[in-house]
Amino acid sequence: GQNIDQPTEMTATEGAIVQINCTYQTSGFNGLFWYQQHAGEAPTFLSYNVLDGLEEKGRFSSFLSRSKGYSYLLLKELQMKDSASYLCAVTGLSGAGSYQLTFGKGTKLSVIP
Amino acid sequence: DTAVSQTPKYLVTQMGNDKSIKCEQNLGHDTMYWYKQDSKKFLKIMFSYNNKELIINETVPNRFSPKSPDKAHLNLHINSLELGDSAVYFCASSQDRLAGGLDTQYFGPGTRLTVL
Repeated sequence: GQNIDQPTEMTATEGAIVQINCTYQTSGFNGLFWYQQHAGEAPTFLSYNVLDGLEEKGRFSSFLSRSKGYSYLLLKELQMKDSASYLCAVTGLSGAGSYQLTFGKGTKLSVIP
Repeated sequence: DTAVSQTPKYLVTQMGNDKSIKCEQNLGHDTMYWYKQDSKKFLKIMFSYNNKELIINETVPNRFSPKSPDKAHLNLHINSLELGDSAVYFCASSQDRLAGGLDTQYFGPGTRLTVL
């Protein structure tokens, strides 16, 4: 089965840096995704990691350690518009033997002035 | 030019009714999905279709029946609606170029279903 843990809520100040952690246990792990979801909207893709290490994309970076079952999303120079839920998702084998994306419960980030 | 679209955006109905949600993608993707996001914002896969063929069918009541008339469309029909079916239903699609489920999924705007 799949198990994904991330903090429920976080608060950070505009202009600061915040790190959102995600730990996972899954069978047939292939990769880890981060999605952003603003309230009342659809999830949108931010980044994915397949190999260990850091992937940087502008103000957002994502890190993966496969041996530790651990990832984090780093958001720099926080802006008010970054207030959203951040969903950690892993690709692993379903019971039927096909790959599927399993989402964590999301971390609601509030950016305050 | 919307990539993944769903109709309707809002659906309010009585218990026991039957309803359908439609999804269309114009990205030329091979795989489409239905997800359910409950009141606690937990997003869970329900079904996945690849080129009109069912490939994932999670533990979902058989009152839920997906139908894919072609690879650009995946509709969801729900029979005998129950209070617990109230949620936001998201359609998504992905290209099937990468093995192991590594293709990015693109989500539709969601359908908020309220069962009274």
